[in-house]
Amino acid sequence: SQKIEQNSEALNIQEGKTATLTCNYTNYSPAYLQWYRQDPGRGPVFLLLIRENEKEKRKERLKVTFDTTLKQSLFHITASQPADSATYLCALAPGYSTLTFGKGTMLLVSP
Amino acid sequence: SAVISQKPSRDICQRGTSLTIQCQVDSQVTMMFWYRQQPGQSLTLIATANQGSEATYESGFVIDKFPISRPNLTFSTLTVSNMSPEDSSIYLCSVEFGGRDADTQYFGPGTRLTVL
Repeated sequence: SQKIEQNSEALNIQEGKTATLTCNYTNYSPAYLQWYRQDPGRGPVFLLLIRENEKEKRKERLKVTFDTTLKQSLFHITASQPADSATYLCALAPGYSTLTFGKGTMLLVSP
Repeated sequence: SAVISQKPSRDICQRGTSLTIQCQVDSQVTMMFWYRQQPGQSLTLIATANQGSEATYESGFVIDKFPISRPNLTFSTLTVSNMSPEDSSIYLCSVEFGGRDADTQYFGPGTRLTVL
């Protein structure tokens, strides 16, 4: 069956360090993969989209990699700040159909 | 992006009753979706709200339980019918604009529903 796996344990890091979150998937051939941020009590906010023919994409302090051989995406936040503390969701779209979301990983950045 | 609002933001309802959730966007969108997010779980797509025709439901969700309307390109409603405590969840609408912004979804703030 199709699965999207994100680390269910919260990631705790010190301010200024790089946070790396992982999204693994099985039995998908996604056309693209997205990362969203969700704060408590709020809807997800889109961060980055990376397509199957792209290896890496950057936006300010964010970087996403996409390895379709390993079936894995890595999401990096450099120079992390306490304001980056949130739950980060990855989402896949096989072809041009609807999105399927992972459960998300909570990131806690301490000062 | 756009401003997406949902009403109500939260509600506490009795078993057996129904609740209609509204989603309003401040500009026209091509696609509108309804999701459910149960505590500690991922977002689960309920259905795609189609303008002028019946919604497209995902496996496990049916029209009798979750009737959806989309009368125009900026508004949709989701009704949770004959509620039970298992329907307690956050319900979220999302939109896609198409064009250069295609494939990116923008979410409303969610409706937190508690069924007693």
